[in-house]
Amino acid sequence: NAGVTQTPKFQVLKTGQSMTLQCAQDMNHNSMYWYRQDPGMGLRLIYYSASEGTTDKGEVPNGYNVSRLNKREFSLRLESAAPSQTSVYFCASDWEPRGYTFGSGTRLTVV
Amino acid sequence: TQLLEQSPQFLSIQEGENLTVYCNSSSVFSSLQWYRQEPGEGPVLLVTVVTGGEVKKLKRLTFQFGDARKDSSLHITAAQPGDTGLYLCAGAKADSNYQLIWGAGTKLIIKP
Repeated sequence: NAGVTQTPKFQVLKTGQSMTLQCAQDMNHNSMYWYRQDPGMGLRLIYYSASEGTTDKGEVPNGYNVSRLNKREFSLRLESAAPSQTSVYFCASDWEPRGYTFGSGTRLTVV
Repeated sequence: TQLLEQSPQFLSIQEGENLTVYCNSSSVFSSLQWYRQEPGEGPVLLVTVVTGGEVKKLKRLTFQFGDARKDSSLHITAAQPGDTGLYLCAGAKADSNYQLIWGAGTKLIIKP
């Protein structure tokens, strides 16, 4: 089925460890996004990529890096995980800002 | 800064009742979207409204965009247990196409 695929679904990290969250979409969308969702905080934009080859910071970029590998793939990297990065991470894509397709999320716990 | 206020934050009602969820802001949006999110899943787009005063219907769900494009409402008629979920609104500002403004969500529970 067409959509946005995120891996892994669950991850536990120790403080200071690094990891990369993978995201791929097969809808030929230009724009891709990384969000985090925390209770009471809603969805907050970490980074976005308006098109292949470009990336920009969102509302909460500190502690994260991204790579738009090609039109399909947009990865999020935590270089040195901190407990404050415990969250649910969602990748999304959109052809234009009229409606996003979200992945099913990565539940990350940093201990 | 929370620019989109959703109300109520939580609503628990019996099957068959009607309900309305509100999304309000002092900002003008070029478009506004509504999503439903179920536990363990990502949000799923329900509708996008783009014209002031626009009304869209999706079966028992009616969405309205305010005339001034600052607010929106979602009305559910004869709610069913399958409507249970977290409802999120998100507005796109004309000067920032890539950064949606999100509401904190309305958690809706429909009891059989």
